[in-house]
Amino acid sequence: TQLLEQSPQFLSIQEGENLTVYCNSSSVFSSLQWYRQEPGEGPVLLVTVVTGGEVKKLKRLTFQFGDARKDSSLHITAAQPGDTGLYLCAGGGNQGGKLIFGQGTELSVKP
Amino acid sequence: DAGVTQSPTHLIKTRGQHVTLRCSPISGHKSVSWYQQVLGQGPQFIFQYYEKEERGRGNFPDRFSARQFPNYSSELNVNALLLGDSALYLCASSWDYHMDTQYFGPGTRLTVL
Repeated sequence: TQLLEQSPQFLSIQEGENLTVYCNSSSVFSSLQWYRQEPGEGPVLLVTVVTGGEVKKLKRLTFQFGDARKDSSLHITAAQPGDTGLYLCAGGGNQGGKLIFGQGTELSVKP
Repeated sequence: DAGVTQSPTHLIKTRGQHVTLRCSPISGHKSVSWYQQVLGQGPQFIFQYYEKEERGRGNFPDRFSARQFPNYSSELNVNALLLGDSALYLCASSWDYHMDTQYFGPGTRLTVL
């Protein structure tokens, strides 16, 4: 059974701080997606990484795919209250269109 | 272009009833996947359909079924509802069945009493 473990599960920080969320697995994935979800809404795609060692930047967000394609990280610089939400990583490519999700990281950024 | 749409937004049912949830993919997308998200957890894969055929099934009982129509829209049916079926049901679409990048709809919140 493929599993993705995210850490930390909960994160409460002050505006302006930096943070990193980790997504780890013992399985190799052909791609890794990061989503952000607001309460009661569907996940919104932030990025897809497909190459081992790949780094993608989206404004203050930096995403990295591990060299062995088993892990990924999301780094947020100078967090803002608008970054508050549930961050989900999802691995894909091993079973058609089935995505394997981590349990999520609940981020709260206080002004 | 419109994103993935789902209906209804919210639904309240009682145990033993059945429910039908509907999804319309992004225009041009031929693959639709269904996920169940229980509060506090990540989404769990239920089904994937492509060109009206089931391409994948998650670890869910036979009470769960789905189908895809010629216009690529999809329905998820759940029979004999249990309290544990209460969840946010998400639909996601992608261009092709092997595409990892999936775009999600807003979900249907199902409450079983």
